[in-house]
Amino acid sequence: GAGVSQSPRYKVAKRGQDVALRCDPISGHVSLFWYQQALGQGPEFLTYFQNEAQLDKSGLPSDRFFAERPEGSVSTLKIQRTQQEDSAVYLCASSYYGTTYEQYFGPGTRLTVT
Amino acid sequence: AQTVTQSQPEMSVQEAETVTLSCTYDTSENNYYLFWYKQPPSRQMILVIRQEAYKQQNATENRFSVNFQKAAKSFSLKISDSQLGDTAMYFCAFMTMEYGNKLVFGAGTILRVKS
Repeated sequence: GAGVSQSPRYKVAKRGQDVALRCDPISGHVSLFWYQQALGQGPEFLTYFQNEAQLDKSGLPSDRFFAERPEGSVSTLKIQRTQQEDSAVYLCASSYYGTTYEQYFGPGTRLTVT
Repeated sequence: AQTVTQSQPEMSVQEAETVTLSCTYDTSENNYYLFWYKQPPSRQMILVIRQEAYKQQNATENRFSVNFQKAAKSFSLKISDSQLGDTAMYFCAFMTMEYGNKLVFGAGTILRVKS
């Protein structure tokens, strides 16, 4: 079956622009996660959804970051008024809420803010 | 707070040889999960192996095995018969139900397999 997909794969934004990053999880996966990965670093947790409910948003770095998953499938991460420090790869992962707890990752969206 | 430390920024190994990547973690939880993920240059993160903390037996997946030392909070990855395709960044990660299934990653180890 299809894996986790993300779009766009690459995004260049000018400082101050708003961006929207999309994640399509594996069909039937209840849990969805967003991570931010700076160059040469490990991913860092941003937010977590179980179906359409956002259960944890403790990792969002500022109120410029907003995520939603209105129908419990596709999710969008929105960054308002982008800053240079927002440049990173944004990874989406999904998992079936069961006993394996394995998270399946998408290819990521590389955001460059100029 | 949960932390994961990978003390080896880069490692090299000859093809067909064995290499061990180190990982330590810090937690006060008793029930948790540990993972090794591989991230090739294409950036798609792939699960290599997982270990449940309540299991004493070390996990094994083909050429990949772990040495899980719960008291020492150590979780190393051994790759046997290294192949060129093993070249990648390897991340150790920790998860506990107490913190909602989110993964806490180490900084990663770049592994280069040389022919």
